[in-house]
Amino acid sequence: TQLLEQSPQFLSIQEGENLTVYCNSSSVFSSLQWYRQEPGEGPVLLVTVVTGGEVKKLKRLTFQFGDARKDSSLHITAAQPGDTGLYLCAGRTGANNLFFGTGTRLTVIP
Amino acid sequence: DSGVTQTPKHLITATGQRVTLRCSPRSGDLSVYWYQQSLDQGLQFLIHYYNGEERAKGNILERFSAQQFPDLHSELNLSSLELGDSALYFCASSVVSGISTDTQYFGPGTRLTVL
Repeated sequence: TQLLEQSPQFLSIQEGENLTVYCNSSSVFSSLQWYRQEPGEGPVLLVTVVTGGEVKKLKRLTFQFGDARKDSSLHITAAQPGDTGLYLCAGRTGANNLFFGTGTRLTVIP
Repeated sequence: DSGVTQTPKHLITATGQRVTLRCSPRSGDLSVYWYQQSLDQGLQFLIHYYNGEERAKGNILERFSAQQFPDLHSELNLSSLELGDSALYFCASSVVSGISTDTQYFGPGTRLTVL
């Protein structure tokens, strides 16, 4: 059962543009993480958010956890080709198992 | 480099066969997780071991089994393979278990192709 839906599924933008990726669920999560995965590699953790309404910034990336802890967003400012990759959100329930979202494949064109 | 190693990197086999995937966690990590990533199902949690004991099961088929050895490395055994088992299999490790904010470090994966 897929608990986390990400949108858009694919995104192709020009270098310098801004973008937002959404992660939505009907479930409440104790924490939510965002990962980036590049071809031939495993996912790499970008951030963990825990508190409803929490906002975290990582250079040009801004992550927000919804007030009800059911959804999250990732905003990238002035995208660069190095941002290209598969972005995955992942939520934890009380059982502490990670449930991954459907993924957003981002391509930043130079 | 996450510090998690997986072997083999690629595996090609036939339907009905059995294979074993191996994972060595980061030094000091007691938890090992196995995931399956396919195009149509995304990244799915299979099973979690902590210090040699099974802690949680996800969408793991009965044809699949895993174990974690005293030296903390883990093996995922896949038997009676079907075409649909073709996927990337990832192992991840973390220091502890039961903490909602712990970080899982993923290995580079094993790409399994069943012909």
